[in-house]
Amino acid sequence: DTEVTQTPKHLVMGMTNKKSLKCEQHMGHRAMYWYKQKAKKPPELMFVYSYEKLSINESVPSRFSPECPNSSLLNLHLHALQPEDSALYLCASSQEGREGDEQYFGPGTRLTVT
Amino acid sequence: GQNIDQPTEMTATEGAIVQINCTYQTSGFNGLFWYQQHAGEAPTFLSYNVLDGLEEKGRFSSFLSRSKGYSYLLLKELQMKDSASYLCAGSGGSNYKLTFGKGTLLTVNP
Repeated sequence: DTEVTQTPKHLVMGMTNKKSLKCEQHMGHRAMYWYKQKAKKPPELMFVYSYEKLSINESVPSRFSPECPNSSLLNLHLHALQPEDSALYLCASSQEGREGDEQYFGPGTRLTVT
Repeated sequence: GQNIDQPTEMTATEGAIVQINCTYQTSGFNGLFWYQQHAGEAPTFLSYNVLDGLEEKGRFSSFLSRSKGYSYLLLKELQMKDSASYLCAGSGGSNYKLTFGKGTLLTVNP
């Protein structure tokens, strides 16, 4: 199984809603990532978890809250988002989070904030 | 700095060869990744270079010159399905995170 799955595929939420994005992998990877990608732009790193501990937070606003319940799961909790937060949110995982580790990306959740 | 530059768009013909260049500032990166991303889909891994030289993998090859801060992705025998965005990404520093270039949108015409 070399797949990273993400749910939901699409999400429309209002600025006062609370929602969560979910990511799962069963490759035994110990590093997991959240990226944000706007249209025709490259992915931008948001968070990195290594061995279930947050190792990188790229100065992301607090309305985005990551959580890693176990080594296979990664969540992104959303609250009080802004329309400019509309984007494709990609989850990825890699073996250890070391130099040269290939990152496997999930299909993404396309988020629209109204 | 960690700027990564690559052309915005390229066009090529089915069956031809195309080279997509990527330049970066040499400080801060240990290795270079190339990813392919079809519209609306997730990026998929193509190659990783950490040593100077050419790595060949089927129709795709990737080259790295660390001293020059230069990499390229070479695609041979182009197929229509190769139409996609190609992302160059630097890896390294204290946390091994990926820093992506803006991507090159390749269009393969019949």
